[in-house]
Amino acid sequence: EADIYQTPRYLVIGTGKKITLECSQTMGHDKMYWYQQDPGMELHLIHYSYGVNSTEKGDLSSESTVSRIRTEHFPLTLESARPSHTSQYLCASSDGTAIQYFGAGTRLSVL
Amino acid sequence: SQKIEQNSEALNIQEGKTATLTCNYTNYSPAYLQWYRQDPGRGPVFLLLIRENEKEKRKERLKVTFDTTLKQSLFHITASQPADSATYLCALDRPGAGSYQLTFGKGTKLSVIP
Repeated sequence: EADIYQTPRYLVIGTGKKITLECSQTMGHDKMYWYQQDPGMELHLIHYSYGVNSTEKGDLSSESTVSRIRTEHFPLTLESARPSHTSQYLCASSDGTAIQYFGAGTRLSVL
Repeated sequence: SQKIEQNSEALNIQEGKTATLTCNYTNYSPAYLQWYRQDPGRGPVFLLLIRENEKEKRKERLKVTFDTTLKQSLFHITASQPADSATYLCALDRPGAGSYQLTFGKGTKLSVIP
């Protein structure tokens, strides 16, 4: 079992609210990732970080932002949630090998 | 851009039989290929990685083959059990990103019937 934690597991929120999805890992991994996944669909990379103070956008356009102030913490923020943001958000980390370790995910519903 | 196709969205097999899942890819020659398992409402869990110079990899009841000529990987689960029911994802390293980024397929949902 990977030591990577996401909170909350489920979130139902109204349109226009600001939300932050938390992701923490205790493995000391430099590389961290955020994916978005809709039911029955592939994972889409929306943000990644190769170390502290390093963040990049992925290949799926997202209105979310991320920060990496500490190695173990990689939160994702939506300034103003919309129904189109309803999805599952998965956080992962890697030590630079090819393997990625995933958290359990946050299922977000925006009403 | 690279494209991954997993043979079917769903596969039903009888308990005790061998399940075979297919992953085909185009527009790229990956250095390695991985298989992950994903249960409903959970994140993927790594199962096996196979490199381009390896033909076959085994782990307990799991076997992966990698044919770089056909651009195909086969994932086998022998003596399948109902607990093997899950969605299995194929993933490739991305061009230009080294081992740091992956592209995932949509997955094949496996149901093992008792």
